[in-house]
Amino acid sequence: SQQGEEDPQALSIQEGENATMNCSYKTSINNLQWYRQNSGRGLVHLILIRSNEREKHSGRLRVTLDTSKKSSSLLITASRAADTASYFCATKPGSNYKLTFGKGTLLTVNP
Amino acid sequence: DADVTQTPRNRITKTGKRIMLECSQTKGHDRMYWYRQDPGLGLQLIYYSFDVKDINKGEISDGYSVSRQAQAKFSLSLESAIPNQTALYFCATSETSGNSYNEQFFGPGTRLTVL
Repeated sequence: SQQGEEDPQALSIQEGENATMNCSYKTSINNLQWYRQNSGRGLVHLILIRSNEREKHSGRLRVTLDTSKKSSSLLITASRAADTASYFCATKPGSNYKLTFGKGTLLTVNP
Repeated sequence: DADVTQTPRNRITKTGKRIMLECSQTKGHDRMYWYRQDPGLGLQLIYYSFDVKDINKGEISDGYSVSRQAQAKFSLSLESAIPNQTALYFCATSETSGNSYNEQFFGPGTRLTVL
């Protein structure tokens, strides 16, 4: 069963706009991670936020975490065509060593 | 060179055939994982291994087996392939440490088609 669920399933924006994706999960977590997948290729780790953190930045990426609502958001600012990809959240529940992935958000950035 | 490699990258096989997918890594990580991805879905964990002598079933291990030949090598076998095992298969690795947050590093994937 999937712990994380991304919303929306698909998002289409113009280059230069900001893109926001959300992730909701069900059980308590140790950390939450975001990954990017270009079509048919392997996943690439983007950013990790720990359960005791509320916000984290990495370049044009901003991640927030609200453990009371069991939700996270990924914001990509000033999007580029190269940001076109699927984005997945993955949760690490408690002391469990496994990651559980959501179904992803397909982001399309139009030139 | 890529840190996590998978062979083959593409494979077409027939129902009932035995097939092996291989994964090698140069990251020096102890932990290795096999996932499958179906169109429009997230990743489902098949098997994972924390070291050569520690192998564990994931969410969907039925119909699959694995072998951890060395720290750097983790193979996935389909004993008797069936069409609903057609999917994209990924190998991943992660560190082992007291402060590990389990960031995973993925291979490029193997696209398997079972006819």
